[in-house]
Amino acid sequence: SYELTQPPSVSVSPGQTARIPCSGDALPKQYAFWYQQKPGQAPVLVIYNDSERPSGIPERFSGSRSGTTVTLTISGVQAEDEADYHCQSADSNGTYWVFGGGTKVTVL
Amino acid sequence: QVQLVESGGGVVQPGRSLRLSCVASGFSFSSFGLHWVRQAPGKGLEWVAVISYDGSHRKYIESVKGRFTISRDNSKNTLYLQMNSLRTEDTAVYYCAKGGRGVPFDYWGQGTLVTVSS
Repeated sequence: SYELTQPPSVSVSPGQTARIPCSGDALPKQYAFWYQQKPGQAPVLVIYNDSERPSGIPERFSGSRSGTTVTLTISGVQAEDEADYHCQSADSNGTYWVFGGGTKVTVL
Repeated sequence: QVQLVESGGGVVQPGRSLRLSCVASGFSFSSFGLHWVRQAPGKGLEWVAVISYDGSHRKYIESVKGRFTISRDNSKNTLYLQMNSLRTEDTAVYYCAKGGRGVPFDYWGQGTLVTVSS
């Protein structure tokens, strides 16, 4: 079955930049989406269609793609950004939806 | 604003059944597809099932095919997940999520915990 691969954890100091990669063979064919999930809370969409930001999401969140890897970048990280971040896409045929394993962002 | 409220979770023995519900408000319920997504303890998210806006199309992850049934009642703004022959590996928080225009999951509920244990 198709998989998306993310690092389990990323640590960053306040004000620095966090980059979270997500790799998958079908990513060149399918859009990627990113969700932020804080402990005990539901996920929140922060990036759609690789790099678009929903209304209400701060500009410090951005997304990019290079080949089979998409990356969520959080610039000028704040303490409130500490959360799990999940990438999501679809298989190459768009038949079913897949999530990465999630990356825990720790703000030092 | 969009609200999705799940219910029906609980502790159940392996092999038994459970039905989850998700009551929606704040949007035109009958215009959008809806999903169930689950998250096992300490694990990532896993898409489970989707139903089209009118209920005519449904898809499932392979591991629940033949055991789970997704359905909806547009007159009650409610999404359901009938779970039969439950297994210990079905233990998870189950979220309902709304599909958007070109976005698979644009709003999520708070989830309901299902624990399958003897």
